[in-house]
Amino acid sequence: GAGVSQSPSNKVTEKGKDVELRCDPISGHTALYWYRQRLGQGLEFLIYFQGNSAPDKSGLPSDRFSAERTGESVSTLTIQRTQQEDSAVYLCASSSRRKNTGELFFGEGSRLTVL
Amino acid sequence: AQSVTQLDSQVPVFEEAPVELRCNYSSSVSVYLFWYVQYPNQGLQLLLKYLSGSTLVKGINGFEAEFNKSQTSFHLRKPSVHISDTAEYFCAVSKNSGYSTLTFGKGTMLLVSP
Repeated sequence: GAGVSQSPSNKVTEKGKDVELRCDPISGHTALYWYRQRLGQGLEFLIYFQGNSAPDKSGLPSDRFSAERTGESVSTLTIQRTQQEDSAVYLCASSSRRKNTGELFFGEGSRLTVL
Repeated sequence: AQSVTQLDSQVPVFEEAPVELRCNYSSSVSVYLFWYVQYPNQGLQLLLKYLSGSTLVKGINGFEAEFNKSQTSFHLRKPSVHISDTAEYFCAVSKNSGYSTLTFGKGTMLLVSP
């Protein structure tokens, strides 16, 4: 596609349910990042993929959070047993560079609301 | 580790006035610096970046920023703003060697009124 695509754009769920958020990066981009943006906060790094391996998952806040990526394509962020503090916009970005010296291309985000 | 401080959460300004959005960073190693802009209901897009060379960096839409190593700052400026510049602006930093994620500030909301 022309840009980074994320789905769903909005998700409302009940506390305790599992959710899956999907990211389709720009074709050919080897690097993929997930960030979380809570209200009034900056962007919080969650995980980085290079290809389908995740050399840095230091930002995942708990073992309820996991992510996977198929080759150099789609990534899925899964949150199990959601809590109200998980409410945020989850942003995905991709990049064609192995080193972080340049631009990240962001999707429009998936807004998650946990009731 | 790196950190970024954006001193103003909100900056109101009148159209055609100049504006400066402040950004200070902390790092024990040399860094790359970025400004991203997020228009309402859109994703973030890169405004400008400093990797090396001239400390004055020009970006899109008439914005520029100056890297000041001694003051660890990377303030964003525009001499005359437009209504369409209303958006949230994020400063970000990464270390300039090896692998590094971008560390973002909390953002500054620029509100331009007529």
